Amino acid sequence: DAMVIQNPRYQVTQFGKPVTLSCSQTLNHNVMYWYQQKSSQAPKLLFHYYDKDFNNEADTPDNFQSRRPNTSFCFLDIRSPGLGDAAMYLCATSPGGLAYEQYFGPGTRLTVT
Amino acid sequence: AQSVAQPEDQVNVAEGNPLTVKCTYSVSGNPYLFWYVQYPNRGLQFLLKYITGDNLVKGSYGFEAEFNKSQTSFHLKKPSALVSDSALYFCAVRAFDRGSTLGRLYFGRGTQLTVWP
Repeated sequence: DAMVIQNPRYQVTQFGKPVTLSCSQTLNHNVMYWYQQKSSQAPKLLFHYYDKDFNNEADTPDNFQSRRPNTSFCFLDIRSPGLGDAAMYLCATSPGGLAYEQYFGPGTRLTVT
Repeated sequence: AQSVAQPEDQVNVAEGNPLTVKCTYSVSGNPYLFWYVQYPNRGLQFLLKYITGDNLVKGSYGFEAEFNKSQTSFHLKKPSALVSDSALYFCAVRAFDRGSTLGRLYFGRGTQLTVWP
């Protein structure tokens, strides 16, 4: 089945220790998104790629970076995680265009100790 | 400013009864409206969307939603609730932001639906 895969599902990192979360898709969608979701809150968009075109949300901290080496993969790098970065990180994809829904991965739950 | 409101944090309903989860929106231009469901420790799953056409849209798992332009609402409904429908439901509207060719999804804060046996 075509899908959005996130690895790992659970990640524990130490305060200040860089961490990378990964997302892959078999849907061949143009657009990939990264969201941060804190407990029972709405997902907050961090950034998205339309093909190789990177779009950063204005309020996304500089601590968060992203890479998309090819259509299938996208990475979220947190350079120096703080306790406030503990959250669920959701990757989503969609075809280009406003009318399309987004397809979400299962998420990676990040714990910062 | 673009926004979505889900006025109820929690909706409780008995199995077999109809359910409604409310959503209102504020957006410039034509709204593209979506409902997503989230089960614990999972990503969001798409339920249904309104883009244009018939105001009543049908989606997955027996859910439907009615677009009401005059009331700027897009309430989610199901005629007969199941215990397995218990989850967190998000309404979202897609709207343009300046400088963005894609627009972005604006989510409501979510409504926790609990269906008891």
